[in-house]
Amino acid sequence: GQNIDQPTEMTATEGAIVQINCTYQTSGFNGLFWYQQHAGEAPTFLSYNVLDGLEEKGRFSSFLSRSKGYSYLLLKELQMKDSASYLCAVADSNYQLIWGAGTKLIIKP
Amino acid sequence: IAGITQAPTSQILAAGRRMTLRCTQDMRHNAMYWYRQDLGLGLRLIHYSNTAGTTGKGEVPDGYSVSRANTDDFPLTLASAVPSQTSVYFCASSDEAGGSTDTQYFGPGTRLTVL
Repeated sequence: GQNIDQPTEMTATEGAIVQINCTYQTSGFNGLFWYQQHAGEAPTFLSYNVLDGLEEKGRFSSFLSRSKGYSYLLLKELQMKDSASYLCAVADSNYQLIWGAGTKLIIKP
Repeated sequence: IAGITQAPTSQILAAGRRMTLRCTQDMRHNAMYWYRQDLGLGLRLIHYSNTAGTTGKGEVPDGYSVSRANTDDFPLTLASAVPSQTSVYFCASSDEAGGSTDTQYFGPGTRLTVL
């Protein structure tokens, strides 16, 4: 079967750095997405990785290792507004997205 | 206003009733999707449409139907609602589909409760 694993919840301090991991087992791989979802709102796109390596976009970076079936989202200089759920999703061999359950990130002052 | 709109925002429905959730996008995207989101589970695809006039089944299609008469609209119908269909429903769209990976953009969601 297809499976995406992420930690359920993480806590970090304002101004710090946090890494959210995602491991996947899917039938085929056509890229990995990270989305941010604030409580009661829609998911919004953060990043897309299809090749191994690190993609940096401001305070957020995303890493992919296809051989290990592993990705992480790195958030730097955490702000209170970063409190949200972070969703990992993999495009399978049919280009359909398989979604993880999300990681709820709690930022403390 | 560019983007995706959904209606209603929320709804409480008696079991056995018929309900249509509406979704409209103005980005001229080819592909549209319906997901449900339940606590502790990832988003699950109900139905999708790669282009106007075509639809396909996702992971959890039973009890739901869709139509895609034009590019902009993609309604989701529950023919006879059951309590297990209590969920938050998100509509999404992407520019390309069927053989490419393209970013999906989401509507604000409909919170549905079936009693």
